[in-house]
Amino acid sequence: SQTIHQWPATLVQPVGSPLSLECTVEGTSNPNLYWYRQAAGRGLQLLFYSVGIGQISSEVPQNLSASRPQDRQFILSSKKLLLSDSGFYLCAWTYRDRDGYTFGSGTRLTVV
Amino acid sequence: AQRVTQPEKLLSVFKGAPVELKCNYSYSGSPELFWYVQYSRQRLQLLLRHISRESIKGFTADLNKGETSFHLKKPFAQEEDSAMYYCALSPGGYNKLIFGAGTRLAVHP
Repeated sequence: SQTIHQWPATLVQPVGSPLSLECTVEGTSNPNLYWYRQAAGRGLQLLFYSVGIGQISSEVPQNLSASRPQDRQFILSSKKLLLSDSGFYLCAWTYRDRDGYTFGSGTRLTVV
Repeated sequence: AQRVTQPEKLLSVFKGAPVELKCNYSYSGSPELFWYVQYSRQRLQLLLRHISRESIKGFTADLNKGETSFHLKKPFAQEEDSAMYYCALSPGGYNKLIFGAGTRLAVHP
């Protein structure tokens, strides 16, 4: 069966420090991968998606970047965190849209 | 522009009462619509999708293209239904599932 792993679960980072959040999927190949940010009262905002290795599409301009170095690995990064980067970050995958997305357990990032 | 609107941030009902969580969408094509649910301390998970026309945990949702709505309904709410519910739209292609802001359902005994 397919599983999705996301880590770390929580992270507290100082302003200006780098960020690396990792997401991996098991049990499938060539998934579509997504990074979302969940903000209270604002729902889920799509940040990046990838349909293949090295292919990244950005949905909103921001201080973050994403990479997909391997088929089932999706990384969210920042060179210098801002206070506004605080939030709950979710990774998700799907094979076909109509099957819906499977979400990871999320990372709560607090920038201090 | 593609958009999903959930007008209620909080819906509070008593056990056994009917529930309707509203969802309206804006999309010019033929969308695929979903309801996701997040129970306390659990992952966001798919509840149902309109193409399946299924009933999950007693919930149903009908796509009304004329009113561009996809409201989630349950005739008799249970306490275990208390959760955060998100309506989502997939415009197709490479996906970009678009979520509403979510509605918190609180079912009281």
